[in-house]
Amino acid sequence: GEDVEQSLFLSVREGDSSVINCTYTDSSSTYLYWYKQEPGAGLQLLTYIFSNMDMKQDQRLTVLLNKKDKHLSLRIADTQTGDSAIYFCAEYRFYNQGGKLIFGQGTELSVKP
Amino acid sequence: NAGVTQTPKFQVLKTGQSMTLQCAQDMNHEYMSWYRQDPGMGLRLIHYSVGAGITDQGEVPNGYNVSRSTTEDFPLRLLSAAPSQTSVYFCASSDLQGGGYGYTFGSGTRLTVV
Repeated sequence: GEDVEQSLFLSVREGDSSVINCTYTDSSSTYLYWYKQEPGAGLQLLTYIFSNMDMKQDQRLTVLLNKKDKHLSLRIADTQTGDSAIYFCAEYRFYNQGGKLIFGQGTELSVKP
Repeated sequence: NAGVTQTPKFQVLKTGQSMTLQCAQDMNHEYMSWYRQDPGMGLRLIHYSVGAGITDQGEVPNGYNVSRSTTEDFPLRLLSAAPSQTSVYFCASSDLQGGGYGYTFGSGTRLTVV
């Protein structure tokens, strides 16, 4: 994806916290998203944050947004083996007649028992 | 179950063949789009539609055509398949053009062009 960057791999132990980071470039983005992709499946929306928020918490998920640095992170508390997947951050941009999601390359999270 | 349905799930084509990837949604979403997913590149927008009869190009439209005759269906046509079109294709839909609600994705079509 253009202009949205993520590290490609992260490995953690079961029970630890995982932090997946993302940087983006368009300061006018209104919404930023985290999607989860399990092997052979489509993308599942995990959570999103509006650009006027700094933090959003949803059960084990915490999203932090630093607009000044254009940095987004997803923290997964008490990571489980079922959390192993590829995680994509995406920013929403207006585009021609509609809008589009600009995706990062995806971070493959591996959770070891 | 309500959602986005893509067919087929897998397809192998020979170079130069044409085919249509099907996408249907039953959520009455106005906005539909096609993305391709390639290793290390995330997802890239091919074409999108903001309603029946209205389509527009995304980032990587060359070699693909779309049409939107109904709200429910948004097929993607490969006119003359090339090996560079080997990819996983995802259809997605949304109301309110995705802002705040995200997109609902289909399970994908894995296409190999030989």
